[in-house]
Amino acid sequence: KAGVTQTPRYLIKTRGQQVTLSCSPISGHRSVSWYQQTPGQGLQFLFEYFSETQRNKGNFPGRFSGRQFSNSRSEMNVSTLELGDSALYLCASSWDEGYEQYFGPGTRLTVT
Amino acid sequence: DAKTTQPPSMDCAEGRAANLPCNHSTISGNEYVYWYRQIHSQGPQYIIHGLKNNETNEMASLIITEDRKSSTLILPHATLRDTAVYYCIVRVVRTGANNLFFGTGTRLTVIP
Repeated sequence: KAGVTQTPRYLIKTRGQQVTLSCSPISGHRSVSWYQQTPGQGLQFLFEYFSETQRNKGNFPGRFSGRQFSNSRSEMNVSTLELGDSALYLCASSWDEGYEQYFGPGTRLTVT
Repeated sequence: DAKTTQPPSMDCAEGRAANLPCNHSTISGNEYVYWYRQIHSQGPQYIIHGLKNNETNEMASLIITEDRKSSTLILPHATLRDTAVYYCIVRVVRTGANNLFFGTGTRLTVIP
């Protein structure tokens, strides 16, 4: 069974731009969660989508948004990029809440 | 979700058992203990989870004390590839909350 895939793996953007990251979950998984990892704050939960609906949200500004498609693939978008948005963005999929989450390799975003 | 406390770092000789402790003294009856690990710059990897009984799988064993206030993850024969940051997470399994709260974890270094 293929694992969680994320594209792109690396991205360099300029302050003020916007970016869209993509995540394809494991086949059959309906829940997709997004996390941000930085050296200072560690791993932090952004939001979770289940059956195309945002089910849970972390404490991030509205510049961070996401969506999920009918095939469970998910995208997250960050608008008006700031230097502090430089991070490793991780996506995780699971069958449903309470089941183990499987993480993708992440997208490393650098904002200059 | 209950807070966890882990030592920041540990060393283990290759081939020996690695015992990683986790304190979760405020855990409640419906909270599970999960363990994940993250090898440098990769996505976290699920290891094991349990409620109150000891659990074992192909990767590790999880020992939970009778009062459930602490647990130990055991890697029976540590290899160099087990060098990673190990996260102990306590969470309630309930509808609408499929997010993981990662602490700072324990950095395990397996020494040849």
